[in-house]
Amino acid sequence: EAQVTQNPRYLITVTGKKLTVTCSQNMNHEYMSWYRQDPGLGLRQIYYSMNVEVTDKGDVPEGYKVSRKEKRNFPLILESPSPNQTSLYFCASRLGTSGFTDTQYFGPGTRLTVL
Amino acid sequence: GDSVTQMEGPVTLSEEAFLTINCTYTATGYPSLFWYVQYPGEGLQLLLKATKADDKGSNKGFEATYRKETTSFHLEKGSVQVSDSAVYFCALVGRGGTSYGKLTFGQGTILTVHP
Repeated sequence: EAQVTQNPRYLITVTGKKLTVTCSQNMNHEYMSWYRQDPGLGLRQIYYSMNVEVTDKGDVPEGYKVSRKEKRNFPLILESPSPNQTSLYFCASRLGTSGFTDTQYFGPGTRLTVL
Repeated sequence: GDSVTQMEGPVTLSEEAFLTINCTYTATGYPSLFWYVQYPGEGLQLLLKATKADDKGSNKGFEATYRKETTSFHLEKGSVQVSDSAVYFCALVGRGGTSYGKLTFGQGTILTVHP
């Protein structure tokens, strides 16, 4: 089954404790991205990657890191989480880098709470 | 940069009522337009899309027409069901400058359908 998986689904942590949210897709997609969803703001892009070893900032990259060492995986790293990073996070992937006709596939989401 | 504006929510309807969710956009060039739906506790999934002016996207009884002259992509359904209760996101993929290939979302509209 074609899918994007994320782990963990729920995470409660404390300020400053480094964490990683994993993301994996099994569709051989070139493009992957991370979003955060906050009430009234829709989804905002954090980082994206057009291919292995190619990553770039989205609209809200501060406080986040990513890496793309393999095509299927795109982990999101919070090196020193703060309460304002409490949010619902989604990983997504699509086949092509332009995206004009492609469906973007989303993972189930990670609910992060930073105390 | 590109932006998407959706009608204010939440929207509450009775089963079999007619649904319209308004969506307008601002973009450089002619973007591709999408509606994504998020059911409770799940990630987003593509509902329909249109890639050029006057295209009509349709799926599961929902329709939206790409109106270049009014920069709009309103979502409609003739008879909603309880199972349509979800959050609906209008989105675009830009074709100009720094927005090339970027998926930009509206803030989302919560739809609740009562029996």
